[in-house]
Amino acid sequence: SQTIHQWPATLVQPVGSPLSLECTVEGTSNPNLYWYRQAAGRGLQLLFYSVGIGQISSEVPQNLSASRPQDRQFILSSKKLLLSDSGFYLCAWSREMNNYGYTFGSGTRLTVV
Amino acid sequence: AQSVSQHNHHVILSEAASLELGCNYSYGGTVNLFWYVQYPGQHLQLLLKYFSGDPLVKGIKGFEAEFIKSKFSFNLRKPSVQWSDTAEYFCAVNTNAGKSTFGDGTTLTVKP
Repeated sequence: SQTIHQWPATLVQPVGSPLSLECTVEGTSNPNLYWYRQAAGRGLQLLFYSVGIGQISSEVPQNLSASRPQDRQFILSSKKLLLSDSGFYLCAWSREMNNYGYTFGSGTRLTVV
Repeated sequence: AQSVSQHNHHVILSEAASLELGCNYSYGGTVNLFWYVQYPGQHLQLLLKYFSGDPLVKGIKGFEAEFIKSKFSFNLRKPSVQWSDTAEYFCAVNTNAGKSTFGDGTTLTVKP
């Protein structure tokens, strides 16, 4: 069966420090991969998505970047964190064209101090 | 760009009451529609989905949703809620390249 791992679960980082959040998928190949940010009472905002290795699409301009170095690995990064980067980050995967819905990771609570 | 509206931010019901959560989307083309649920302390998970065929779809735990194309709606229903249905519910629309747009969510509290 397919599983998705996301870590760390929580992270407290100072302003100006770098960030690296990792997401890996098991049990499937060539998944679509997504990074969302969930704000309380505001739903989920799509940050990045990827349909293949090295293929990244950004949805909103921001202080973050994403990379897909391997088929089932998706990384969210920042060179210098801002206070406004605090939030709950979710990784998800789907089959091509998302006909069956997303499977979400457990999320990372990021607090920038 | 497509958008998704969930009409109720917070719904409070007693056990055995009927539930209907509204969801409307703005997109004129072919859509795939989803409801996701996040129980306290758990992952977001898929509750049910529609992409073709019968507009009345059934999901897990007795939930169902009806796609009404003319109204751009995909409302979630359950005839009799239980305390364990307390959760946050998200409607989502998938239109382009597998990306989903989510509503702001509805928090459902079921009183025992």
